[in-house]
Amino acid sequence: GEDVEQSLFLSVREGDSSVINCTYTDSSSTYLYWYKQEPGAGLQLLTYIFSNMDMKQDQRLTVLLNKKDKHLSLRIADTQTGDSAIYFCAERGNYGQNFVFGPGTRLSVLP
Amino acid sequence: DAMVIQNPRYQVTQFGKPVTLSCSQTLNHNVMYWYQQKSSQAPKLLFHYYDKDFNNEADTPDNFQSRRPNTSFCFLDIRSPGLGDAAMYLCATSRDREGSNEQFFGPGTRLTVL
Repeated sequence: GEDVEQSLFLSVREGDSSVINCTYTDSSSTYLYWYKQEPGAGLQLLTYIFSNMDMKQDQRLTVLLNKKDKHLSLRIADTQTGDSAIYFCAERGNYGQNFVFGPGTRLSVLP
Repeated sequence: DAMVIQNPRYQVTQFGKPVTLSCSQTLNHNVMYWYQQKSSQAPKLLFHYYDKDFNNEADTPDNFQSRRPNTSFCFLDIRSPGLGDAAMYLCATSRDREGSNEQFFGPGTRLTVL
């Protein structure tokens, strides 16, 4: 079955860049997503990338996709304490099938 | 304005006692999803409704059922909760099923099974 892997923890200092990595196994994945979950809250979509793109930038967020290696990354520039949360990578096919989340990366931002 | 509402936020039930979690949306979206998220784990899709069409994930236990009486409401019924069903249950909606459609998540209902 499909699998999505992420490292579980990341700590960075405020003002530094954070890079959260994700690997997936399903070569038919059409969309790849990054979600943010703060304590006690639901998931918030941060950004997504279509599988025919290599990069997407949205303000402080940069997503890189290496489709050959099935590797996705999320870079957060100028990381702030408000960015502390769990970040989930997820992938799905084109029509809602096979929506699979990774285990989440807990980002801690140190002052 | 709240867009995806889940009630209650916290639910306590007893082992084997049926429980219903509710979700409502003000977005008029076609698709509604139910996810189970256990502590420190990824959300796991249980099933989704595309309009009135119910789509069950292959590994969702029979103990879990769902109802969607109208566009706005969707219910998750757990017929005989076990201790292993204690989790956060997340409801989400999307306008359509295509992958470019954002899923909007509710705040979740945390279920405790005694």
